[in-house]
Amino acid sequence: DIVMTQSPDSLAVSLGERATINCKSSQSILNSSNNKSTLAWFQQKPGQPPNLLIYWASTRESGVPDRFSGSGSGTDFTLTISSLQAEDVAVYYCQHYYNTPLTFGQGTRLEIK
Amino acid sequence: EVQLVESGGGLVQPGGSLRLSCAASGFTSSRYYMHWVRQAPGKGLVWVSRINSDGSSTTYADSVKGRFTISRDNAKNTLYLQMNSLRAEDTAVYYCACYGVTPPVWGKGTTVTVSS
Repeated sequence: DIVMTQSPDSLAVSLGERATINCKSSQSILNSSNNKSTLAWFQQKPGQPPNLLIYWASTRESGVPDRFSGSGSGTDFTLTISSLQAEDVAVYYCQHYYNTPLTFGQGTRLEIK
Repeated sequence: EVQLVESGGGLVQPGGSLRLSCAASGFTSSRYYMHWVRQAPGKGLVWVSRINSDGSSTTYADSVKGRFTISRDNAKNTLYLQMNSLRAEDTAVYYCACYGVTPPVWGKGTTVTVSS
């Protein structure tokens, strides 16, 4: 199974500042048919289902604010929030969809400093 | 609109059974593999099971193998999860998901509570 490891486990950032969450996969998750990494980022607020933010490692889902961006390839990936807003307080998960089983990072709790 | 809608959750006693459904709309779900993912209260996301497009191949997490059965009815665009011999640790929100479409799509989940 591919292991997804996020860092840090929790993060406190001031409003308007940049937040960065890292995700590392235990092996390459590159889809050879389209040369894209099979990596998704989700945001989950209390009592709500996960909300897809990013797929193919860097493609922003429709309706997601452009302060959210995804980058990386191979085994190392990053979710960046360029200017933190109060509504961004949530738990963030990375996940690969390269093969079965799908596996998720342990989650990163993002709070306001 | 591409959408997945889960149903069938509820309260069940340990040892009981429940069947979850996931109705797809806005896309031809029969073309794609489909997954179930669950999230126990206060915990992270965990993959449960996967079925291929025609239903001929299935895989399961070790924690549910032999107790859960994934299936699909492509004529009805519906995915199922038959859950037997339920345990307290199966208490979770269950989500269906499809990664074959772009963008990937998830449902909003259905809650299963196993308790006496």
